[in-house]
Amino acid sequence: EIVMTQSPATLSVSPGERATLSCRASQSVGSDLAWYQQKPGQAPRLLIYGASTRATGFPARFSGSGSGTEFTLTISSLQSEDFALYYCQQYDNWPGTFGQGTKVEIK
Amino acid sequence: EVQLLESGGGLVQPGGSLRLSCAASGFTFSNFAMSWVRQAPGKGLEWVSGIRGSGAFTYYADSVKGRFTISRDNSKNTLYLQMNSLRAEDTAVYYCAKVLNWGEKANDYWGQGTLVTVSS
Repeated sequence: EIVMTQSPATLSVSPGERATLSCRASQSVGSDLAWYQQKPGQAPRLLIYGASTRATGFPARFSGSGSGTEFTLTISSLQSEDFALYYCQQYDNWPGTFGQGTKVEIK
Repeated sequence: EVQLLESGGGLVQPGGSLRLSCAASGFTFSNFAMSWVRQAPGKGLEWVSGIRGSGAFTYYADSVKGRFTISRDNSKNTLYLQMNSLRAEDTAVYYCAKVLNWGEKANDYWGQGTLVTVSS
């Protein structure tokens, strides 16, 4: 199985600042990489797929980049509703493994 | 509107069995692959199993291979997960999720989950 590693585990950011989350795959997954946002008590929501395509309902301040083994999720100017857990997932080959998550918290 | 509603969770003893169901609506169920993803209390997401739209091909995480079986009934728009030989580490909220399409196997819709607790 492909191992996904996210960093950092926790990111403390002030509202209005930029947040950069990283995700690394143990082998190339091409662009078959998704990001999900999860808030307490809720199911995850698809945020980014194909490494860089934003899903319906998310604003342009969210962007994804990368390919192969290195990926980045950037939130350009954090809003209060963006403080949450973020997971990356590769789906190049099933099983579609997830990273362990990055918690974005208010600084 | 796409809706996914899981059911069948509950408390089961180690070594026991449970069958989860996921009733789907709002899309042509047979056209889409589906997944089960779980989340242990306070932990991250773990992909469990997936199935093609036809039901002909199934996929499993190593942690559940040989114990869990995914299936679907396209006439009933329902996804299933048969879980046997359950262990304490299988305790989790189990989500069913729709796959965006076969070229992009991200999960674009999720149910609210059903809690499975394995304990004596």
